[in-house]
Amino acid sequence: EPEVTQTPSHQVTQMGQEVILRCVPISNHLYFYWYRQILGQKVEFLVSFYNNEISEKSEIFDDQFSVERPDGSNFTLKIRSTKLEDSAMYFCASSVGGRDEQFFGPGTRLTVL
Amino acid sequence: AQSVTQLDSHVSVSEGTPVLLRCNYSSSYSPSLFWYVQHPNKGLQLLLKYTSAATLVKGINGFEAEFKKSETSFHLTKPSAHMSDAAEYFCVVSRAGGYNKLIFGAGTRLAVHP
Repeated sequence: EPEVTQTPSHQVTQMGQEVILRCVPISNHLYFYWYRQILGQKVEFLVSFYNNEISEKSEIFDDQFSVERPDGSNFTLKIRSTKLEDSAMYFCASSVGGRDEQFFGPGTRLTVL
Repeated sequence: AQSVTQLDSHVSVSEGTPVLLRCNYSSSYSPSLFWYVQHPNKGLQLLLKYTSAATLVKGINGFEAEFKKSETSFHLTKPSAHMSDAAEYFCVVSRAGGYNKLIFGAGTRLAVHP
């Protein structure tokens, strides 16, 4: 069964460094998403992406964040100049259409020291 | 604005007994509602969804949920718990007819004891 994959499963970085979280969505899906869950808090929507551009983003998704689909298979989330409060589990998801079920990856746990 | 409140952070049941996970929602629009489950080290998996069709929704693994507009509730139930049901469950809302941006509840951790 096709599934969304994410790498790495755990990323540790120093405050101020840049990180790139990688996702491989399901191959025939056209919509891509990033969510995050800070420990002990709710899963929060960050951004949705379609046709090589952002279709919606939350207030959290400021200039520190960017997304990219660099090739036909990967979908990345870049976090510049990481802060302690960026420590969280980051989930990637994909769907066939904007109204279809979102399939989630297992997440990347980001720890900023 | 839309929001979701899961009324219990932890629920513990014995194997073979019924499961009830409670969820209340708030929405300015007619909502679409979902339950997702997360097993340890796994992604979030869709259990079931309500999108303005039948108010009683059946999902995978014997789970079902009933949409009650008058009570703004969407509780998840299962007649008989199995050990493999132990996981974190999330109630989720989005705009009617749209999945795009999902808004999650805080989650309910279900423990199943032998």
